[in-house]
Amino acid sequence: KQEVTQIPAALSVPEGENLVLNCSFTDSAIYNLQWFRQDPGKGLTSLLLIQSSQREQTSGRLNASLDKSSGRSTLYIAASQPGDSATYLCAVNDYKLSFGAGTTVTVRA
Amino acid sequence: SQTIHQWPATLVQPVGSPLSLECTVEGTSNPNLYWYRQAAGRGLQLLFYSVGIGQISSEVPQNLSASRPQDRQFILSSKKLLLSDSGFYLCAWGEVTDNEKLFFGSGTQLSVL
Repeated sequence: KQEVTQIPAALSVPEGENLVLNCSFTDSAIYNLQWFRQDPGKGLTSLLLIQSSQREQTSGRLNASLDKSSGRSTLYIAASQPGDSATYLCAVNDYKLSFGAGTTVTVRA
Repeated sequence: SQTIHQWPATLVQPVGSPLSLECTVEGTSNPNLYWYRQAAGRGLQLLFYSVGIGQISSEVPQNLSASRPQDRQFILSSKKLLLSDSGFYLCAWGEVTDNEKLFFGSGTQLSVL
C-alpha cells in the first residue's frame, strides 16, 4: 500500500524567503505526482503535475522536482508572499491517488 | 472549459439522519469521478470512485454509498449518519488517461451532531 509523507507538517517564514516542501512515498512505481494547494475550508487547486518520466516541472515561482528512485518530491516556492499562505498537499498516482497530510505554510508580512 | 459543482457548502445533520451530497461536472464527457473525505489534520481518504454510469468502486467499508445516475453526476449518500461521518467531503474528476490530473470541487463541510 502506497504511503505518502509530508514533512514538515507546518512551516512559518518571513515574506521573501524561499519555501522548500518535502514529499516522500514508499512505492516508486508511479504514473505521476501532483502538488495541490488548499485554502482553509476550500477545495484543492492543482499546482503542478510531474509525469513519472520527468525530473521537474515549473510554473512561475513554483518548481517541483521528482526523484522516483528514492521516492521523493520537493516543491520550491521562490520569494514567498503572504498570499502563498495555505496548506500544500502532494498526491502520488499509482493508478489510484494517495495523498499526504499536507504542509501548512504561513508567510509573515 | 470544465467546471465542477458541489453542494451544499456546509451541512449540519443529527445522528441517524440521511445524507445526500451531489456533484456535477460540466464541459467533459465520461470523466472518472471521485469522493474523498478529509478529516481535520489528516490527508484525503478516497471513499468511492467511478469510471462510468452505474460503476462504483468502494475503497473503505462504511455506512456511506455512492451512485452515478448520469455521466457527469456523482452522489454520496447515507441512510443513517454517524458522528464519525463528520468531515470535509470533496468531489473530484479526472481525465481518463494513465496520467490523470484531478480537479476538485469546493467541498462540503459536514458536521454530524
